[in-house]
Amino acid sequence: GAVVSQHPSRVICKSGTSVKIECRSLDFQATTMFWYRQFPKQSLMLMATSNEGSKATYEQGVEKDKFLINHASLTLSTLTVTSAHPEDSSFYICSAGGQADYEQYFGPGTRLTVT
Amino acid sequence: GQNIDQPTEMTATEGAIVQINCTYQTSGFNGLFWYQQHAGEAPTFLSYNVLDGLEEKGRFSSFLSRSKGYSYLLLKELQMKDSASYLCAALDSNYQLIWGAGTKLIIKP
Repeated sequence: GAVVSQHPSRVICKSGTSVKIECRSLDFQATTMFWYRQFPKQSLMLMATSNEGSKATYEQGVEKDKFLINHASLTLSTLTVTSAHPEDSSFYICSAGGQADYEQYFGPGTRLTVT
Repeated sequence: GQNIDQPTEMTATEGAIVQINCTYQTSGFNGLFWYQQHAGEAPTFLSYNVLDGLEEKGRFSSFLSRSKGYSYLLLKELQMKDSASYLCAALDSNYQLIWGAGTKLIIKP
């Protein structure tokens, strides 16, 4: 149980375009989902916390107008990188909160390359 | 501020034992996690400690000392597939995960 999927797993896009990444909890309902970004050889950086039916809470330094998060249902959250630039190239990982406060289940990640 | 420290890289031999240390400073504490992350993949859960002591799970064990702000992950009978980064993360009073930079473990035959 507690499986989280992400789609796509890899995406290459041109500078200036937008990319949408989906995160789904497949066998459980997730009130809270988290979006992380990880640059090479660095740890995970929390970008935002999204709660179903409400606006996401963004971490300091993360532009909410650039990284649009929608958590429309208990099993789906989306992250849209708008007007992507090469510096947005990174590994984006979502996680879904479980029943206990400390539980997080990670998706497989999405490798974004902006050319 | 909140901080997690762990070694950047460690090397060990196949079949041996290795201990990866982690020290943490957080605003409140609600437990400590260890995750394994292979290159290009998302982290996978290894262990969660909230009480002092050692938790053993097969070849992997995790230890926590809350008074010292210290944890370690012990890997026994190392296998080549254990080559990965090991991430230490502490849960603060707001139930937010504070991540370490990870320890890259290199296993040599």
